[in-house]
Amino acid sequence: EPEVTQTPSHQVTQMGQEVILRCVPISNHLYFYWYRQILGQKVEFLVSFYNNEISEKSEIFDDQFSVERPDGSNFTLKIRSTKLEDSAMYFCASRPLATRNNEQFFGPGTRLTVL
Amino acid sequence: SQQGEEDPQALSIQEGENATMNCSYKTSINNLQWYRQNSGRGLVHLILIRSNEREKHSGRLRVTLDTSKKSSSLLITASRAADTASYFCATDARGGADGLTFGKGTHLIIQP
Repeated sequence: EPEVTQTPSHQVTQMGQEVILRCVPISNHLYFYWYRQILGQKVEFLVSFYNNEISEKSEIFDDQFSVERPDGSNFTLKIRSTKLEDSAMYFCASRPLATRNNEQFFGPGTRLTVL
Repeated sequence: SQQGEEDPQALSIQEGENATMNCSYKTSINNLQWYRQNSGRGLVHLILIRSNEREKHSGRLRVTLDTSKKSSSLLITASRAADTASYFCATDARGGADGLTFGKGTHLIIQP
């Protein structure tokens, strides 16, 4: 069964450094999402992406964040200058176009630790 | 405003018993979904109920939705040890490309 994959599974970085989290959505999906989950807290929506542009973004998704679909398969989240409070699990999700529902398929997550 | 608040926050039951989790939300919704998360893993979609539906079944899962009370419940019947996980409700207001709004989740422990 096709799955959303994410790399790396764990990323450790120093405060102020740039990080790029990578996702490979399911191949025929056209909507892509990033979420984050700070330890012990709820999953929070960051951004959605469709047709090569951002569809919706939350208040969390400020100028430090950017997303890109550099080729036909990868979907990346870049954090320009990481802060301690960016430490969290980051989940990528995707869904196909041809559905009335908004069932999203999630990857296993990347744990980002900012020191 | 907070959307999708589950209760209880934690639930521990014996294997074979039924587990009921509740979710409340504040704004109008297009649909409500339940997801499961095993410790340290990603979210797995369980079931979706649309705003014009009142009840839905899938295997051992039963979901209800009361839009007048802005609440939903997830019932897992005949629980198994493998059902131990955190369960989240998630809502979206308009469908389409909307991001989902998750609650804080219920941590369910099934004791053998």
